[in-house]
Amino acid sequence: AQSVTQLDSQVPVFEEAPVELRCNYSSSVSVYLFWYVQYPNQGLQLLLKYLSGSTLVKGINGFEAEFNKSQTSFHLRKPSVHISDTAEYFCAVILYNFNKFYFGSGTKLNVKP
Amino acid sequence: GAVVSQHPSWVICKSGTSVKIECRSLDFQATTMFWYRQFPKQSLMLMATSNEGSKATYEQGVEKDKFLINHASLTLSTLTVTSAHPEDSSFYICSARTGTGSDYTFGSGTRLTVV
Repeated sequence: AQSVTQLDSQVPVFEEAPVELRCNYSSSVSVYLFWYVQYPNQGLQLLLKYLSGSTLVKGINGFEAEFNKSQTSFHLRKPSVHISDTAEYFCAVILYNFNKFYFGSGTKLNVKP
Repeated sequence: GAVVSQHPSWVICKSGTSVKIECRSLDFQATTMFWYRQFPKQSLMLMATSNEGSKATYEQGVEKDKFLINHASLTLSTLTVTSAHPEDSSFYICSARTGTGSDYTFGSGTRLTVV
């Protein structure tokens, strides 16, 4: 069975500070990994995804994530956050047949001025 | 890019009534639509997968008679919550694969409140 764990339900951070949102997954088969962002009352927007190749993936809005197979992690990072990054972030995995996403419980990033 | 339009964005209904949520793919054909539900402070959970022209496949624990899914065309899938109860209050969101790979587009979601 697959599962995704986002340990931090909320992360407060000051503007221009770095941030890391943690994601760990468990799967008996190989998966692809995704990070989505959800702004209030909106749908999910893809930030980045890891399918294969370089384990460091760069996404939109200055975010990046690193796939660590040995630690089964896919942490999301940004060196300097903005107020506009305040949103909820979801880590997700999908099996190679692309038929079903498994989402983490989400991390609310609150960027303070 | 590919867009999935979901309506309504929010709805309040009385207990016992039915509510229909629509998801339309605007610039691509969605042969498969996925319906998710998100309870407060919880993650998105897949409810069902609908394929155009065939019956939807429901996840374990999801009542197919309560959550009716219709995918009659390549651009429209609907989810009807029948005889809604307060415990059905949730955020419902649809998703469609936009190609043959790993690209998915999500609708903007529908917040359902049953009073």
